[in-house]
Amino acid sequence: GNSVTQMEGPVTLSEEAFLTINCTYTATGYPSLFWYVQYPGEGLQLLLKATKADDKGSNKGFEATYRKETTSFHLEKGSVQVSDSAVYFCALSLQTGANNLFFGTGTRLTVIP
Amino acid sequence: EAQVTQNPRYLITVTGKKLTVTCSQNMNHEYMSWYRQDPGLGLRQIYYSMNVEVTDKGDVPEGYKVSRKEKRNFPLILESPSPNQTSLYFCASSLRTGPQQYFGPGTRLTVT
Repeated sequence: GNSVTQMEGPVTLSEEAFLTINCTYTATGYPSLFWYVQYPGEGLQLLLKATKADDKGSNKGFEATYRKETTSFHLEKGSVQVSDSAVYFCALSLQTGANNLFFGTGTRLTVIP
Repeated sequence: EAQVTQNPRYLITVTGKKLTVTCSQNMNHEYMSWYRQDPGLGLRQIYYSMNVEVTDKGDVPEGYKVSRKEKRNFPLILESPSPNQTSLYFCASSLRTGPQQYFGPGTRLTVT
């Protein structure tokens, strides 16, 4: 089946620390991979995406590389800010059929000054 | 402004009292979907629709109904709500081919 496993939270970091949130997936086809972010009290926003192997998605200093050989899509940022405090969701969708998203359980990040 | 809107944003109701949560998008998207978000479980899909008059079950459809009579609207109906449907609900839309989905702001439902 299709599923996403991501790092359990919560994660607490000091400002300017390095961030990694691990994400691995299982898919029956060739998925597109996503990171969505949910700020407190808001809906989900797309943070970045990658649609094929070895693609790197990037946005707002965050990066993730689609690794087919390890079925992974880990999220990284070199220097986090307090404003990055949010819940991060890894997700996949298959590129055929319905555009259904399969989500991980989410990782809550808190950045302290 | 391109957006997905949901109403109401907050709702407290009692067991068995029928309710509808509305969802509307102004991007002419074919695909629409409902998710529920629960702690430790992430987002799980309830129902989705590939186009007008085409709906299908997601992972957790029990206790919910949907309809897609117009392209822009995709209401979620709880005919007889129960406390285990207390959750945060999100509507989303996209082009039929995806890949990006656009999410509404969420509806927090409490069933007592």
